[in-house]
Amino acid sequence: EVQLLDSGGGLVQPGGSLRLSCAASGFTFDSYAMSWVRQAPGKGLEWVSAISGSGGSTHYADSVKGRFTISRDNSKNTLYLQMNSLRAEDTALYYCAKGFRYCDSSGCYVHPYYFDYWGQGTLVTVSS
Amino acid sequence: EIVLTQSPATLSLSPGERATLSCRASQSVTNSLAWYQQKPGLAPRLLIYDASNRAADIPARFSGSGSGTDFTLTISSLEPEDFAVYYCQQRSNWKLTFGGGTKVEI
Repeated sequence: EVQLLDSGGGLVQPGGSLRLSCAASGFTFDSYAMSWVRQAPGKGLEWVSAISGSGGSTHYADSVKGRFTISRDNSKNTLYLQMNSLRAEDTALYYCAKGFRYCDSSGCYVHPYYFDYWGQGTLVTVSS
Repeated sequence: EIVLTQSPATLSLSPGERATLSCRASQSVTNSLAWYQQKPGLAPRLLIYDASNRAADIPARFSGSGSGTDFTLTISSLEPEDFAVYYCQQRSNWKLTFGGGTKVEI
């Protein structure tokens, strides 16, 4: 069974830092791109960042580029998000999400851009 | 950045009725669009990918259509468990964006 366990959230002052973790199990972790998606309280979803299965390729939303760094440790089946220079507008529930695997008559494929499993989320609050 | 606009913001329907949700993109995303369902306190659930393909274990009452800039999610006959918020998402060039959501309420 696929499981994603998000952790590391908390209360931090503006300008501070926090590192989120996502512990994965139940699938071949290094075969899948992973993403972070956040949701501000009472608001919609916002994609934050993604990383390829090998960790060699990363992507960021413009709103976090230069402040956040995504990484992964495939030996520990764990995804990370290092968040620096935090702002009030970064306050949100942060989910890790797994790239979507599907199969059809011609074989099985992975869509790194869609997400079939999500963590339970970890809440980040940026406030003085 | 491609902006996705969902309408209506809220859809008030009864069980058994048909729901039609719209998602419009600010520029063409070809068929690179997904739909998710989110219930209160839970993570989103993937329903539809590449505009019209149902994900595994998604009931046949959910269907997606469209291409280019205009997309539709249809729920043919609402079940009580379908009352939730629905989001569309596009994947152009690794600048992924979500729509603002449509709440389907009783």
